[in-house]
Amino acid sequence: AQSVSQHNHHVILSEAASLELGCNYSYGGTVNLFWYVQYPGQHLQLLLKYFSGDPLVKGIKGFEAEFIKSKFSFNLRKPSVQWSDTAEYFCAVQTSGGGADGLTFGKGTHLIIQP
Amino acid sequence: DAMVIQNPRYQVTQFGKPVTLSCSQTLNHNVMYWYQQKSSQAPKLLFHYYDKDFNNEADTPDNFQSRRPNTSFCFLDIRSPGLGDAAMYLCATSRGGARTDTQYFGPGTRLTVL
Repeated sequence: AQSVSQHNHHVILSEAASLELGCNYSYGGTVNLFWYVQYPGQHLQLLLKYFSGDPLVKGIKGFEAEFIKSKFSFNLRKPSVQWSDTAEYFCAVQTSGGGADGLTFGKGTHLIIQP
Repeated sequence: DAMVIQNPRYQVTQFGKPVTLSCSQTLNHNVMYWYQQKSSQAPKLLFHYYDKDFNNEADTPDNFQSRRPNTSFCFLDIRSPGLGDAAMYLCATSRGGARTDTQYFGPGTRLTVL
């Protein structure tokens, strides 16, 4: 069975700092990869996704992620964070069946941006 | 706006007393999922429906059941809740049928077991 590891459970940054959240997965086959964000009191929202093609994907609100197949990684980045980026971030993987297959999530990273 | 709706947002039940959580969607999606998220843990898939076809995860306890009477609604039934079942329960939907589908999540129902 596949698994997802998010290395940092709590990250605290100042506004304008650069962000990188690590995500590694264990699965030998083709995967779909996702980052979801959960703002305080809100539901999980899709930040970005990778299915195939260009391994550098851009999402909403200036976020991007890079799929490195050889490292089984899908790290999330943002060059300059804002206070409004304070949220919980979840990395998720879906096996190559895709479609109706469920997602396997990491435990999440709680990001706090200090003004 | 098309969306995934979960009711109630907060549910309190007693140990052993059956409880039902509700999910509805206006997206007309074929697939509906239920995830369980315990405190400080990753959301974990319990089961999903593809149309009327029920797909249970191998490690989902028998205590958890689901019903999907129509495309729009899906219910999670916990027959005899234990203290360990206290969690956030997330409903999600996807169109289904394509490898590149995205799942859309509802706000969740937080279940407390007394």
